[in-house]
Amino acid sequence: GQNIDQPTEMTATEGAIVQINCTYQTSGFNGLFWYQQHAGEAPTFLSYNVLDGLEEKGRFSSFLSRSKGYSYLLLKELQMKDSASYLCAVMAPYDYKLSFGAGTTVTVRA
Amino acid sequence: DTEVTQTPKHLVMGMTNKKSLKCEQHMGHRAMYWYKQKAKKPPELMFVYSYEKLSINESVPSRFSPECPNSSLLNLHLHALQPEDSALYLCASSTYPLAGEDTQYFGPGTRLTVL
Repeated sequence: GQNIDQPTEMTATEGAIVQINCTYQTSGFNGLFWYQQHAGEAPTFLSYNVLDGLEEKGRFSSFLSRSKGYSYLLLKELQMKDSASYLCAVMAPYDYKLSFGAGTTVTVRA
Repeated sequence: DTEVTQTPKHLVMGMTNKKSLKCEQHMGHRAMYWYKQKAKKPPELMFVYSYEKLSINESVPSRFSPECPNSSLLNLHLHALQPEDSALYLCASSTYPLAGEDTQYFGPGTRLTVL
């Protein structure tokens, strides 16, 4: 099975940096995804990591360490519109299904 | 363009009603998915279609009946639902069915309320 943990809530100030951690214990691994979801809306794809290291996309970066079962999403220069839930999802190797963590609600304050 | 569309946006139905949710994508994706999401919970996979054939059914009750008429369309037929089925129903699609490095793109969802 898949066990994916991430913090429930985080609060940060506009312009600051926030790091959302995700740890996973899975029976296999075929990649990790981060999605952003605003309240009442669909998840939007942010990043994909399958190899160890850092992937950078503008203000968002994602890191993966497969040996540690650990990933983080780094949000820089926070804006009010970044207030949302951030979902960590792991893809299984055999059936390639996505399993989601419970999500981290990020609140950006002025 | 990574757009998946869903209709209707909102649906209220009684427990004896029959209704359908619709999903459409024109990205040439060959895998389509239905997820159910309760408030403040992550999406839960219900069904996966691969090349218009049902490949995964996550032990979903038979009151939910999926259909894939063609490679661009995915329906979810609803019958005799229960109030606990009220949720946001998300459709997603991806390029290659069940392949690595295969991002799933989500539609805006249908907010379903069962009275």
